[in-house]
Amino acid sequence: EVPLVETGGGLIQPGGSLRLSCGVSGLTVGNNFMSWIRQSPGKGLQWVSIIYPDGRTFYADSVKGRITTFSDNSKNMVYLHLNSLRVEDTALYYCVAADFPNQADSWGRGTLVTVSS
Amino acid sequence: DVVLTQSPVSLPVTLGQPASISCSSSHSLVHSDGNTYLSWFQQRPGQSPRRLFYQVSNRDSGVPDRFSGSGSGSDFTLKISRVEAEDVGVYYCMQGTFWPTFGGGTKVEIK
Repeated sequence: EVPLVETGGGLIQPGGSLRLSCGVSGLTVGNNFMSWIRQSPGKGLQWVSIIYPDGRTFYADSVKGRITTFSDNSKNMVYLHLNSLRVEDTALYYCVAADFPNQADSWGRGTLVTVSS
Repeated sequence: DVVLTQSPVSLPVTLGQPASISCSSSHSLVHSDGNTYLSWFQQRPGQSPRRLFYQVSNRDSGVPDRFSGSGSGSDFTLKISRVEAEDVGVYYCMQGTFWPTFGGGTKVEIK
């Protein structure tokens, strides 16, 4: 098991911004495919983003234009920034690592984000 | 997006009896590289999802051999040969051939 620890969740008003962090130990972020996956009762599991080891990023259509994800290899951390939050962004956000693209080998425990006024 | 349809949605099973979950894809999941990127996950109550199989039938480390994955193209199956109490939870299929998507889940419970 590779510990991945997500932080930064909480209650945010619609239209606000979200900043999540993921601390990783036991593997090198820069050598793996790092993803954010969210889970909500209404929409189930949704893949939000992927960061490739070469720095390329790919995003789900539902968040394109509102999202930025990046890694800090010196800190072995991954980050998610999501703007213009909507009620439907409410979910448990997981940080996920894999050694192959579009795979989900290891999961964090998740951090809960609630978008509500 | 590729839609994965799982059935049944709920699966009550007697301890020691077999269980089978189906996952049907709206598109063939055979990648241009020849591989089929279909995975299965188990999510126990209160826990994060845990991968059981990747590329249809490759078992992850620590997964009991009472679990098996099979299928091809757009139809896949997860089987449990003899259900144990620790198998209670929700099972998801996921495809990584295209932008990744998950099935809606199958809840396995003990009768």
